[in-house]
Amino acid sequence: KQEVTQIPAALSVPEGENLVLNCSFTDSAIYNLQWFRQDPGKGLTSLLLIQSSQREQTSGRLNASLDKSSGRSTLYIAASQPGDSATYLCAENTDKLIFGTGTRLQVFP
Amino acid sequence: DAGVIQSPRHEVTEMGQEVTLRCKPISGHNSLFWYRQTMMRGLELLIYFNNNVPIDDSGMPEDRFSAKMPNASFSTLKIQPSEPRDSAVYFCASRGSRTDTQYFGPGTRLTVL
Repeated sequence: KQEVTQIPAALSVPEGENLVLNCSFTDSAIYNLQWFRQDPGKGLTSLLLIQSSQREQTSGRLNASLDKSSGRSTLYIAASQPGDSATYLCAENTDKLIFGTGTRLQVFP
Repeated sequence: DAGVIQSPRHEVTEMGQEVTLRCKPISGHNSLFWYRQTMMRGLELLIYFNNNVPIDDSGMPEDRFSAKMPNASFSTLKIQPSEPRDSAVYFCASRGSRTDTQYFGPGTRLTVL
């Protein structure tokens, strides 16, 4: 059974810290790995998509890496801001998206 | 672009009633996905369509659930009869043919009493 695990489940940090969110997946035959952000009461917003042939993707202060051999992906957030507070979900894509349970991030001023 | 549109945003109904959730995908997208999100099970794929044809409905929990996509701009998810354990947030997402990125709607929060 495909499983996606995210650690930690919750994280609370002061503004300005650099953060690492972890995602583990069991299926090495993924097409890509995706990171989403979900704000309370809202839908998901795609942040980064890493193809299986890639090692990392960057967008602004966000950097996501992918290691298929170990079944791991990390999302790095540089210089965190209160506006980054949200739940972050990773999803492995084989023929469909399998989501992790998310990391709830709170960045306080 | 208006994004993915879902209606209603909130639905409260009594057990046994029929519930219909609606979704309008982004214009030009040819794939549509229905998800359910609960605290216990997280975000789960229920069914997805490609060019209006259901491709994978293995996530549909029971025969009480059905989904249709009569045309490229409209889909429905129906629950009949509804049960309290169906209470969840139901998301619709769409995707274009040249991308792997899915775009999510704001969701419908369903409460079955």
